[in-house]
Amino acid sequence: DADVTQTPRNRITKTGKRIMLECSQTKGHDRMYWYRQDPGLGLRLIYYSFDVKDINKGEISDGYSVSRQAQAKFSLSLESAIPNQTALYFCATSDSNEQFFGPGTRLTVL
Amino acid sequence: LAKTTQPISMDSYEGQEVNITCSHNNIATNDYITWYQQFPSQGPRFIIQGYKTKVTNEVASLFIPADRKSSTLSLPRVSLSDTAVYYCLVGDMDNAGNMLTFGGGTRLMVKP
Repeated sequence: DADVTQTPRNRITKTGKRIMLECSQTKGHDRMYWYRQDPGLGLRLIYYSFDVKDINKGEISDGYSVSRQAQAKFSLSLESAIPNQTALYFCATSDSNEQFFGPGTRLTVL
Repeated sequence: LAKTTQPISMDSYEGQEVNITCSHNNIATNDYITWYQQFPSQGPRFIIQGYKTKVTNEVASLFIPADRKSSTLSLPRVSLSDTAVYYCLVGDMDNAGNMLTFGGGTRLMVKP
């Protein structure tokens, strides 16, 4: 969905490096989310935010941190990347009815 | 948090109707049922949402029995482009934290 953009789309990094994934949305939604998806599996929630001052841990927050810089921007950081964080990362926004997902960031940690 | 159970995979042929059933035995009073579709290397896309009985939109129908312990997504006359993974989610719309568990989904393969 062009209303939700993620940068970068692909990233290869090394173990121990700090990585930031960016998400921006033009839908005007207060709620934003970060998920990861491993091959052949469903999405797992990392963090979510209901507004700029609200941050909540999801199912698998260990090893990750987030920043909600503005209503439109929600960043995910890996402070010290490790190989098992290799995955496809999705950002999403929502109104009360449905979630709108970005195109994803494919992250490889060597 | 209501847990959902879906078949891992299904096969169908072009032009057939496909029904995917999701079990959610511990659904709560305030929970809604939402279905998403995901193509490889893309984010999931909303298909349909309902609370009870039947909901229909331009792409699918959702059937929910009176006890709401299951739901069935119905895709009429599928085409090859409907090959995707379909996820059933159950949760409270006013508490978004409950809407955020994607299970393994159902992998639908549509054959010519």
